[in-house]
Amino acid sequence: QKEVEQDPGPLSVPEGAIVSLNCTYSNSAFQYFMWYRQYSRKGPELLMYTYSSGNKEDGRFTAQVDKSSKYISLFIRDSQPSDSATYLCAMGSLQWGFQNFVFGPGTRLSVLP
Amino acid sequence: EAGVTQFPSHSVIEKGQTVTLRCDPISGHDNLYWYRRVMGKEIKFLLHFVKESKQDESGMPNNRFLAERTGGTYSTLKVQPAELEDSGVYFCASSRAALLAGAASTDTQYFGPGTRLTVL
Repeated sequence: QKEVEQDPGPLSVPEGAIVSLNCTYSNSAFQYFMWYRQYSRKGPELLMYTYSSGNKEDGRFTAQVDKSSKYISLFIRDSQPSDSATYLCAMGSLQWGFQNFVFGPGTRLSVLP
Repeated sequence: EAGVTQFPSHSVIEKGQTVTLRCDPISGHDNLYWYRRVMGKEIKFLLHFVKESKQDESGMPNNRFLAERTGGTYSTLKVQPAELEDSGVYFCASSRAALLAGAASTDTQYFGPGTRLTVL
């Protein structure tokens, strides 16, 4: 079993739809949870950064962490064609620094106009 | 403000040769990170500099990889000798504060576009 599981997609949605992207993980010690967006031939861009459980909202983006279920989500409201990219989750523990900082494989999202 | 830049964008070398990748972080960013994504795998952390010091190099795969950050500005990652399994995309990132520095940290991390390394 991989430490972080993420549906690779591709996920296609119409413009304006609400998008739900998810990751599950197995290591209960993870404390930090990130979502990155990566456009083709570009480096990842950090979108959301959450510590422990709970929700965090930034504009059209909402990140949710459910540590009891080892499940994190990224919601995109009013999705736009410019949101078409690969979305990567990543997580780690302050206790171990970067030693166990793990990325998911990414979900490819296409928002159709 | 210029972003993180990496050079070259693509390098093709033969097995056994040496390659040096360069990363120029955003000015004023003390923290610099190297990651790589080999074919079919997830992005993996390689190492973390704070200024010129290696803070964490636990992700470096073996002693064929050498990273330096002289003067605390740009960084180089040398692979010598290169092997076939080193092929992949090498990313550099920088941040003002250290990612995972603590619960209150909201500083963000900026990635470069990556160097695509192909070892034949």
